[in-house]
Amino acid sequence: DGGITQSPKYLFRKEGQNVTLSCEQNLNHDAMYWYRQDPGQGLRLIYYSQIVNDFQKGDIAEGYSVSREKKESFPLTVTSAQKNPTAFYLCASTGQHGAFNEKLFFGSGTQLSVL
Amino acid sequence: AQSVTQLDSQVPVFEEAPVELRCNYSSSVSVYLFWYVQYPNQGLQLLLKYLSGSTLVKGINGFEAEFNKSQTSFHLRKPSVHISDTAEYFCAVSARVNDYKLSFGAGTTVTVRA
Repeated sequence: DGGITQSPKYLFRKEGQNVTLSCEQNLNHDAMYWYRQDPGQGLRLIYYSQIVNDFQKGDIAEGYSVSREKKESFPLTVTSAQKNPTAFYLCASTGQHGAFNEKLFFGSGTQLSVL
Repeated sequence: AQSVTQLDSQVPVFEEAPVELRCNYSSSVSVYLFWYVQYPNQGLQLLLKYLSGSTLVKGINGFEAEFNKSQTSFHLRKPSVHISDTAEYFCAVSARVNDYKLSFGAGTTVTVRA
């Protein structure tokens, strides 16, 4: 079945540690996204990528980094510079390059907590 | 840059009553607009989208939304809600250029009571 797989489902970070959240899709989608969901703040865009080897900062990119070496993979690293990383992280993808008329497909999310 | 504001954070409503969720957007260019729904303990699903054409857009589960360019609004409505409509609803906007940036509002929690 086609879809987006996020792992792990739960992740704990120690002070000063970098952690990486995985996002893989087998939908052959060009565009991929990372959002952070906090209660009362909705989904805030961290990074997005329209095509392999290219990505753009979203609205809250500080303290995060991404890579897009393969079309199907868009990992998110939460660095030690992110002082408030506890949140629910959602990965999404969409299909058509050059025409935004497709819906986003979302993964099931990763809950990141600080120890 | 574009942004979206959802004017109500919580909307309690009785079963079979109508509901309206308000969404205003800000953008220097033309936009695409979307409403997504997140049911408890589930992922997000697309309810409806406005890309072009008729300003009244019909979506799934009896929802509809109207694009109003002069008021920069995209309010979501349903004439009669069910208990199963209890969920969080998100308005989202994307610029009509070759840029895939999609920004969401803070969400509106709809609680339907019998």
